[in-house]
Amino acid sequence: GNSVTQMEGPVTLSEEAFLTINCTYTATGYPSLFWYVQYPGEGLQLLLKATKADDKGSNKGFEATYRKETTSFHLEKGSVQVSDSAVYFCALSVVSMDTGRRALTFGSGTRLQVQP
Amino acid sequence: DGGITQSPKYLFRKEGQNVTLSCEQNLNHDAMYWYRQDPGQGLRLIYYSQIVNDFQKGDIAEGYSVSREKKESFPLTVTSAQKNPTAFYLCASSIGPEGATQYFGPGTRLLVL
Repeated sequence: GNSVTQMEGPVTLSEEAFLTINCTYTATGYPSLFWYVQYPGEGLQLLLKATKADDKGSNKGFEATYRKETTSFHLEKGSVQVSDSAVYFCALSVVSMDTGRRALTFGSGTRLQVQP
Repeated sequence: DGGITQSPKYLFRKEGQNVTLSCEQNLNHDAMYWYRQDPGQGLRLIYYSQIVNDFQKGDIAEGYSVSREKKESFPLTVTSAQKNPTAFYLCASSIGPEGATQYFGPGTRLLVL
């Protein structure tokens, strides 16, 4: 089956530190990969995406590269801010061989806390 | 502005009661989805609908029901058969069944009295 594994949090950093949140996946077929961000009490916002191998998604200083050889999609940011504090979800989307349905499979989320 | 709205933001359910969560979108998307989020966990798919008047069970459909009478609307009913309904419920939509990118509403938090 399809699955997404993220590093456990919380990840606590000082402002301006470098961020890496690891994400690896298992999927049949050719998935699209996503990072979503969730601020306290809110829904999920799409942060970035990549649809094929070696694509790099980027947005608001965050970036992630689709690495097919290592089945990874690690999220990075060069200098985090207090306002980046949130929960980050890695997800994949692929058409199911069993149902023909395009399903979105989420990791369990990684909480980031940035201290001033 | 286009987007997805969910109401109410908080909902309280008494034992044995059915409650309905609203989800409306004005993005002209064909596909809509309902997810459940429990603390410290990822999202799990409850139901999805690819077109009007059609919907399919997701991974955890037991105790829930939906309807899709209009393209813009995909309400979720949490029935009394759902024994552990306390969770954060998220509605999403995508352009169509093949649209990989899903866009989410702000969520409804359901609490049991």
